[in-house]
Formats: sequence, structure tokens, C-alpha cells
Amino acid sequence: EVQLVESGGDLVQPGRSLRLSCTGSGFTFGDYAMSWVRQAPGKGLEWVGFIRSKLYGGTTEYAASVKGRFTISRDDSKRVAYLQMSSLKTEDTAVYYCTGMIANKFDDWGQGTLVTVSS
Amino acid sequence: QSALTQPASVSGSPGQSITISCTGTSTDVGAYNYVSWYQQHPGKAPKLMIYDVRNRPSGASDRFSGFKSGNTASLTISGLQAEDEADYYCSSYTSSSPLYVFGTGTKVTVL
Repeated sequence: EVQLVESGGDLVQPGRSLRLSCTGSGFTFGDYAMSWVRQAPGKGLEWVGFIRSKLYGGTTEYAASVKGRFTISRDDSKRVAYLQMSSLKTEDTAVYYCTGMIANKFDDWGQGTLVTVSS
Repeated sequence: QSALTQPASVSGSPGQSITISCTGTSTDVGAYNYVSWYQQHPGKAPKLMIYDVRNRPSGASDRFSGFKSGNTASLTISGLQAEDEADYYCSSYTSSSPLYVFGTGTKVTVL
């Protein structure tokens, strides 16, 4: 069974940093691109960014709203993807989901982790 | 790049069919057959229901079907059941930033 488990969500002050982790099991982690999608309270889904599999260069892409502030990385040996968030803003408050991706679809989702940015 | 446009709500009675539209542009929905649909129950993570416009992943009910014409994709739920009551989001690959865009979301109510 495919499982994705996010961790690291917390209450953090504006301008601070936070790192989220996503641990996968039940599938060949290294074959998948790993994406982060967020959902602000009561709002819709927003793609944050993703990291390609090593087969496709392991490169990253980001939404304009987070580019330059967020960094996605992966450690396939540990089956973990990371979302490093810096210069956090109140509008970054959301549930953050990690998803495994094959060929332009978000196949499997974690349960999400809540990030609250507030003073 | 704006979110894809979906109706805020759609409702139907048990056993009926409903259709949710997802309107984009010539740089996303109209340009690629990479439209997918997600079901989200309250407090839960989204679940993939349709990918590549019309394909169902293993485990997804065959009561769900997808279609695309021009810049508009659609999701049809046939034989509506109480368990189908949820929020539904479309998504598409785009040729510009962001690489992926989601729809505004549709709340499906089973009357």
C-alpha cells in the first residue's frame, strides 16, 4: 500500500523558516516526482512545486508565489522529500500535502501537515 | 496564470448524473491532455479520480468519467451516491508558470 506521511508543520512567526518532510513507503520512491500542494483554510488547492526523479535530472520547478523562498529536495536513500520554507508570510498559512507524481498527475497524497504563519 | 474555472456547487439526487465543468485556456486545458480530477472529502486529502482527461486509476469507480472539448474539461458522475458528496478539483499541466494549475473547486451535494 502506498503511503506518504508529512511532518514538520508548526506555528511560526512571519519571516522565519520551517522545513517539512514527506516520507514514502509502498512504492519505488526514486521513480516518482514529488510535488507539494497546499490548501489555505477554507480555500482551494494550489500547486507549490515539485522535484523530478533522478532519471529526469532531479530538477525543481516552483510556483511564482514561492519561488526564491521555498526549496524542494529529496533523499531517495531515505525515501524522503523536503520542503524548505523561508521568509514565511501569513499567506503561506495552509495545509501542505506531498504527492507522488508520475506523468503529470498527482497519484498519491499524504494526509497533510498544517503550517500556521502568525505573530 | 489564473485558476481553472469550475462552478461553485452542483447538486443532484441519488441515482442521477451530474457534470462538473472545468474551463481553462489554450495554454493549459486546451493545449494538453493532462487534465486530472480529484475528490476531497472534508478534512481528508484529495484523491485522484481521473487522469489524462478520461482515464481512471485502479480503484476509482467506473461511475466517474471525463471528457474534454477545446478549453473545457468535464467530469461526469453517474448513478450519484451519498458517498460522492465532496469537493472536486480539476487540474491541468500548463505551458507557463505555474506548471500545474488547479480549478476553483466544486462542492457536490447529494440531495
